[in-house]
Amino acid sequence: NAGVTQTPKFRVLKTGQSMTLLCAQDMNHEYMYWYRQDPGMGLRLIHYSVGEGTTAKGEVPDGYNVSRLKKQNFLLGLESAAPSQTSVYFCASSYAVLQSRNQPQHFGDGTRLSIL
Amino acid sequence: AQKVTQAQTEISVVEKEDVTLDCVYETRDTTYYLFWYKQPPSGELVFLIRRNSFDEQNEISGRYSWNFQKSTSSFNFTITASQVVDSAVYFCALSEAKAAGNKLTFGGGTRVLVKP
Repeated sequence: NAGVTQTPKFRVLKTGQSMTLLCAQDMNHEYMYWYRQDPGMGLRLIHYSVGEGTTAKGEVPDGYNVSRLKKQNFLLGLESAAPSQTSVYFCASSYAVLQSRNQPQHFGDGTRLSIL
Repeated sequence: AQKVTQAQTEISVVEKEDVTLDCVYETRDTTYYLFWYKQPPSGELVFLIRRNSFDEQNEISGRYSWNFQKSTSSFNFTITASQVVDSAVYFCALSEAKAAGNKLTFGGGTRVLVKP
């Protein structure tokens, strides 16, 4: 099973460039998320989606946009990359109702993004 | 607002020693979920456990055990007889039932280094 797949795995950008990170899940999960991980700060939520066509802001949404046109895909966009956006980005997905005792958010393997 | 604190940033032990990772959380919600994730050097996030706020039973899974104390808002994690493969960053996380989207709030993580 593929689970949650992130594309690309690595990317280097110059300040001001734009790019889109793609997240795809094959578990039919309703909810999807984008987090960023910075040293010593754990993971922080950027944006999330509770269903196709809906998105909402998380803890650190500034400088990012997202879209969920299809249930299985969640795109994260950087319109004008800044060095402060250098980070590791994780996509995750989960069911809307956590019925199972051990039902977690499933994470992708991450995208390491460097902004020069 | 919800908050998770992992006061230990790094713990170093010798193989076969026990190691306990502290996690303290803050929430106003009466129903919530607590998680532990492991992030090995390869970078992916591995789900370890989820605990519901209304289930205060401690849990043991092999060499791993978890102690949930609602009275002190703590959800501590113990690795018994540590092995080199346990070297990783461990994250504690919280999700409030009333919050939209099953969003996770992560602690800053504890890096565990197990020396042979």
